Amino acid sequence: DQQVKQNSPSLSVQEGRISILNCDYTNSMFDYFLWYKKYPAEGPTFLISISSIKDKNEDGRFTVFLNKSAKHLSLHIVPSQPGDSAVYFCAAPQGGSEKLVFGKGMKLTVNP
Amino acid sequence: EAGVAQSPRYKIIEKRQSVAFWCNPISGHATLYWYQQILGQGPKLLIQFQNNGVVDDSQLPKDRFSAERLKGVDSTLKIQPAKLEDSAVYLCASSLIRGRWETQYFGPGTRLLVL
Repeated sequence: DQQVKQNSPSLSVQEGRISILNCDYTNSMFDYFLWYKKYPAEGPTFLISISSIKDKNEDGRFTVFLNKSAKHLSLHIVPSQPGDSAVYFCAAPQGGSEKLVFGKGMKLTVNP
Repeated sequence: EAGVAQSPRYKIIEKRQSVAFWCNPISGHATLYWYQQILGQGPKLLIQFQNNGVVDDSQLPKDRFSAERLKGVDSTLKIQPAKLEDSAVYLCASSLIRGRWETQYFGPGTRLLVL
């Protein structure tokens, strides 16, 4: 049972434009969310997070939006750069444990 | 600062054989994790250590998988015997502060192919 869903496997955007990566979750007990970025042959690296007490968190070109009523979050990258091309994972700590639950990931390609 | 080290980077074995993976976490990181990432999926936690004690191994297939962190530093993950469905990338991660996900760093992973 996928508690964190990334329904689109890939996204392609032009350099300089906005990239929007979406994530849905089913467990209403989730209260913290993270985005990770993964390059080929490397491990995931932490990108940005958001607590459920907020609806937006911004870090440079990266902004995460949380819509608790819709159980939906999105990662916005503006402007997109070719170096942003990677697989992005949405994740949430399982309530009552320290276990991170990951989505399947979305491959972002930013074309020069 | 050196990152999380893993070896080997790649391993090909036949089903029913045994295999072991090694992880050296970032110095000073007491929390260590092993994840399994099957192609097309996100990482799935197999086991979490705090120093040399197990915090969570609820998703570790204990009939064939084992892991240890005897001195609270390096860790090994073993599969015996391997099955075709064990083909995956095995990621080790370590964390400075337990439960603070922003302080978790992943190694490059070991890619296992079981034939």
